[in-house]
Order: sequence, then structure tokens, then C-alpha cells
Amino acid sequence: DVKVTQSSRYLVKRTGEKVFLECVQDMDHENMFWYRQDPGLGLRLIYFSYDVKMKEKGDIPEGYSVSREKKERFSLILESASTNQTSMYLCASRLGGTELKGYTFGSGTRLTVV
Amino acid sequence: AQKITQTQPGMFVQEKEAVTLDCTYDTSDPSYGLFWYKQPSSGEMIFLIYQGSYDQQNATEGRYSLNFQKARKSANLVISASQLGDSAMYFCAMRDDQAGTALIFGKGTTLSVSS
Repeated sequence: DVKVTQSSRYLVKRTGEKVFLECVQDMDHENMFWYRQDPGLGLRLIYFSYDVKMKEKGDIPEGYSVSREKKERFSLILESASTNQTSMYLCASRLGGTELKGYTFGSGTRLTVV
Repeated sequence: AQKITQTQPGMFVQEKEAVTLDCTYDTSDPSYGLFWYKQPSSGEMIFLIYQGSYDQQNATEGRYSLNFQKARKSANLVISASQLGDSAMYFCAMRDDQAGTALIFGKGTTLSVSS
């Protein structure tokens, strides 16, 4: 089975800190995605990547950046964490091509910014 | 722009009863895919069922079925014979081919199953 691993389950950071959320998948998936989940708002797309070094903004990219130097790793970066970035962050990956439904999600990172 | 709407913030059902979770969608793309995910309190996203826009029959997976009404742009999830373990958040999602095939999600419905 494909596995998507998010490095931290819970994280507490201070306002203004630079925060790295790591996501690693083990099945050579081309597409990777970062979402944030907030009560009553569902999952919202922050950034996505369809190949190494490629990145595209999603619906809510402000305050975030991403890095994909290797195919298996997609990092979400909070340049200067703020309290309104307290949220659950979910990473997902997909093979690409004609495989239409094979999305795999990580277990999520619950980030609290104090 | 594509959009998913789930109008039921919360639903309550008794064990062994059937329940329908509503989902409507909006897209101008003739080719699309619709998904339902379950998220228990542990936070993991569990894939339940998939319906392609060109699929002739409604998708079924065990106790889950998708009531796909293309003309109405609805893709309701039907859970038959509810179990206590079905208590969770349920998300309807659509594949967005304009966003690197990212899934776009509705706001979710919390299902509570009581004995």
C-alpha cells in the first residue's frame, strides 16, 4: 500500500517562527498536495506539485510556500507563523496520468501557533 | 470554478437505519470524478467510494452507495444499516483537472450514529 507520512502529528510553534511541515510518499507518485482543514470550512488547497521542482498555488497560498526538491518529499513552509495558521494540515499524493482515483492522504499535522 | 456543496452540517441516525448525506457540485467540465471520504476523530482520511462522470451505473462499495443524478448535479452518499463506527465527518470531493488534479472538498457533514 502507498504510504504518505507526515513527520509530526502535533506541533506547537511561536508566532513569527519559520515552520516546516514535511510530507513523504513511498510510491513514486507525481502529484502531491497540501491542504489545511478548519472546522466548518472543510479542506482547502494551499499548494500542489505535479513534478519535482514544480509548484502551483492553490486556493489559499498566502503566508505559505512549498519545496519539492525530490519526488518523494513535498514540504510546506510557513515563513513567519501567525496564530491564524493554527490548523490541521493534510498532505496527499496521487500517481498521475490516467489513474483517476488513487489519492492517498497522510495522517495530518495539527499545528498550534501561540 | 468548480464547487462542492454539502448543506448538512450534522446528521443523526439510529443504528441499523439508512442515512443519506447530500452533495451537490458545480462544474463546466464534461469529465470529472466524484469522491466520498470518511474522517473519524483520529483524523485520517478514508476513501469510501468513487463515481466517474461517464459511469453508467451508480457506484456501490459494500454498505456505501452513491446516488448519482447527473442532470441535478448531485452525488449523495447512502449508508445502509448504519453502525456505531460510522460516526465521523464525511466529505464529498471532486477532482479539479485545472489544479493539477487536486481534489476540491465540501465543508463536510458530521454523522452521529446512536444505539
